[in-house]
Order: sequence, then C-alpha cells, then structure tokens
Amino acid sequence: GDSVTQMEGPVTLSEEAFLTINCTYTATGYPSLFWYVQYPGEGLQLLLKATKADDKGSNKGFEATYRKETTSFHLEKGSVQVSDSAVYFCALSEGRDDKIIFGKGTRLHILP
Amino acid sequence: DAGITQSPRHKVTETGTPVTLRCHQTENHRYMYWYRQDPGHGLRLIHYSYGVKDTDKGEVSDGYSVSRSKTEDFLLTLESATSSQTSVYFCASKREGLGTDTQYFGPGTRLTVL
Repeated sequence: GDSVTQMEGPVTLSEEAFLTINCTYTATGYPSLFWYVQYPGEGLQLLLKATKADDKGSNKGFEATYRKETTSFHLEKGSVQVSDSAVYFCALSEGRDDKIIFGKGTRLHILP
Repeated sequence: DAGITQSPRHKVTETGTPVTLRCHQTENHRYMYWYRQDPGHGLRLIHYSYGVKDTDKGEVSDGYSVSRSKTEDFLLTLESATSSQTSVYFCASKREGLGTDTQYFGPGTRLTVL
C-alpha cells in the first residue's frame, strides 16, 4: 500500500542554519503531497502542499518540490528560527475519499 | 483556520469503561476523520466519515466505533477502554474528497486509560 518515509529525528540546528527534512513516498497513482507542522500542545496545521509533479509548495520561508522521478518531497528552509521548533509531518493523499497517509514525524529543535 | 473543537481536551478513565470523544466543526465540511497519535507511529487513521451516517474504517479501527448524525458532529466511542488506547486523539475535517483539499485539525484530546 501507499506509504510515506521521512527522516527520523530529533534534528537539532542552530538559528539561521539551513534545514532539510527528507521525505520519500510510495504510491500507485498520482498523490497530492503535504507538509504539516505541529507546535507543542497543538493540532496539526498545513504548512504547504503540491498537487502534481514538479510543483513547488512554499509558505513561511519553507519550500518543497514534488519530484516524481525520485518519489520525494523534501522540506527546506534557508534560515531557521527558534520559532520553527516543532514536529513536521510529510503526508500524501490519494484514493477513494482521499485519506491522508502520514509519515512518523520529525522533531526539530532550533537553538538560539 | 476551520472552526474545529474537540471535547473533552483531557480525560482519565479506567480500563473497561466506555468513553466518547466529540468533534464539532462549523465549516459545513463533508468529510471528517479521527486519528490517534502515538510516539514512533505518527498519526494513524481510526475511522472517517464522508457524510451524515456514512462512515468507514481506517487503519486502526479495532475497539472503536463512530457515529455521525449531523454534519457538524463526529463522535468516537471506545466501548470498553483498554490501556493500549491511551493516546492523543485528533479530529480533522475537509470540505470535499479531493486530493488537493486541506484537512483541518482540531486541538486534540489526551486520553489516559488506567
């Protein structure tokens, strides 16, 4: 079945460092891809999404490009801030009723 | 953000007791979902609904039932709670069943089964 694999955390970076969180997927069709973020004590929020190959999603300085040839959707940010500390989930949506399949999440710690 | 609330936000209960969690949304979304979040597992789908009285099972539905009698409310019931059901439960809703649509999440319910 469909699945999402993302790098395990925690990932610890200093403020202003470059961030990459890897995400790869397995799907039989043409899924939509998402990154969700969960801040401490809160529910998940959509960070960005891409609905077809070569699309780039972007929001709040984060970017991810839908790469069909490598089945990847890596999350990047050029200069992280302490406020970016959170858990990040890669996800795909496909199939009848478009259920979302989530990766296990990557916890990000940004040090001042 | 979509107006999704969950109640209660925290609950402690004993093994063998019934528990019902409520999800309420004010966006008239057609689709609603219940997930559980556990360390090392991410979010796993328990049940979902694609309309009033229309529900289906997710990945981890054993021990759970759901009901949706109104568009705005989606109830999750643990008929006889077990310690393995200690988790954080999230509700989500989506306007339509399109892959491009965004799921909006509630704030979560932390359930502890002793």
